[in-house]
Amino acid sequence: NAGVTQTPKFRVLKTGQSMTLLCAQDMNHEYMYWYRQDPGMGLRLIHYSVGEGTTAKGEVPDGYNVSRLKKQNFLLGLESAAPSQTSVYFCASRPSGGQGEQFFGPGTRLTVL
Amino acid sequence: AQRVTQPEKLLSVFKGAPVELKCNYSYSGSPELFWYVQYSRQRLQLLLRHISRESIKGFTADLNKGETSFHLKKPFAQEEDSAMYYCALHRLNKFYFGSGTKLNVKP
Repeated sequence: NAGVTQTPKFRVLKTGQSMTLLCAQDMNHEYMYWYRQDPGMGLRLIHYSVGEGTTAKGEVPDGYNVSRLKKQNFLLGLESAAPSQTSVYFCASRPSGGQGEQFFGPGTRLTVL
Repeated sequence: AQRVTQPEKLLSVFKGAPVELKCNYSYSGSPELFWYVQYSRQRLQLLLRHISRESIKGFTADLNKGETSFHLKKPFAQEEDSAMYYCALHRLNKFYFGSGTKLNVKP
């Protein structure tokens, strides 16, 4: 039972490049979330999903796209990376009907040059 | 708009001293509030939630709707409590996190 895993752990991109971050969970959770963590700003919600095939915008969705084709996976895409997207990205999942606890992945550190 | 404010970026206390990490929120309804903790080199994890009224690792947090606060308290801090603490509000499937408070417990 791996919980929530994120791929890759680290990545360096050049401005304008694209990439996809993968989040996978093996707990059969309905809800999945993508956050970015920046110094002094805590975690900010980028996009989230309430179930397979659904996605919704969070607080800071611009410049990102997501897909939830399979229940266990939640992909975060950057079509044209910008230096402002340098951050640590966290994925989280939680079950429906629970008391709200989220289970977090280890994070992906992304640097955009 | 929902907001969660943690006014202290850093809190340093000596071992055995009481600790209080402040959290204020802005939300007019009945909030669901949480405290998450991130120890060094570990994942963010749930510490406690207001609905459970529980004490975890000696920490408690009381929801004060009048003051819109959810402060985290511990009567006697331990060195292993040193970590980053985040207050979070849950509403309509979204979570809003504060900017976090780094707690440093000195020996």
